[in-house]
Amino acid sequence: DAKTTQPPSMDCAEGRAANLPCNHSTISGNEYVYWYRQIHSQGPQYIIHGLKNNETNEMASLIITEDRKSSTLILPHATLRDTAVYYCIVRVAFSQGGSEKLVFGKGTKLTVNP
Amino acid sequence: DTGVSQDPRHKITKRGQNVTFRCDPISEHNRLYWYRQTLGQGPEFLTYFQNEAQLEKSRLLSDRFSAERPKGSFSTLEIQRTEQGDSAMYLCASSLTGGQPQHFGDGTRLSIL
Repeated sequence: DAKTTQPPSMDCAEGRAANLPCNHSTISGNEYVYWYRQIHSQGPQYIIHGLKNNETNEMASLIITEDRKSSTLILPHATLRDTAVYYCIVRVAFSQGGSEKLVFGKGTKLTVNP
Repeated sequence: DTGVSQDPRHKITKRGQNVTFRCDPISEHNRLYWYRQTLGQGPEFLTYFQNEAQLEKSRLLSDRFSAERPKGSFSTLEIQRTEQGDSAMYLCASSLTGGQPQHFGDGTRLSIL
């Protein structure tokens, strides 16, 4: 049911940039890409989202390819606290109610090493 | 902290018992969602409320599950006659409008003995 594909795991050295890829080749023209992360025993935490332009906030940057079939989440200076499972999500609209559900895959387990 | 609040954080019960979980969304958010997460998997959507109206239900929500949001603020999720397969983390999220990011609570972890 998930519409995205991510590598199951990645490692990154503390202080270096972490680049997490995501493929979403079936994305529709008006569908946003969302990124969440989940630290053990906590709920998913919203990071960033975008449609077609690159986005940046205080947590991360999101680079979306021109054809919108893939994206990369960039954590510019990874810390040990960034160790988490990162989910790339394309929302699925409800037939009524004017909202959407998030369809999570298994995500990428990012381990930041000292 | 004015984030999504869930209670209890942990619930251990015997098979066959009924359990009820509570979710308090972010105060101005009128959209509320329930998800379930089993070990090693991402969360799966269960149901959605806009104000007090339950507008979407997943086929995962069997007849033993019922959710309410009586005044359009907090919500409850009840599971009747619990089974081993109900063991999971139950997550609640809220959003201001459709299209806005959903913000999650830290969930209720249910363990069935």
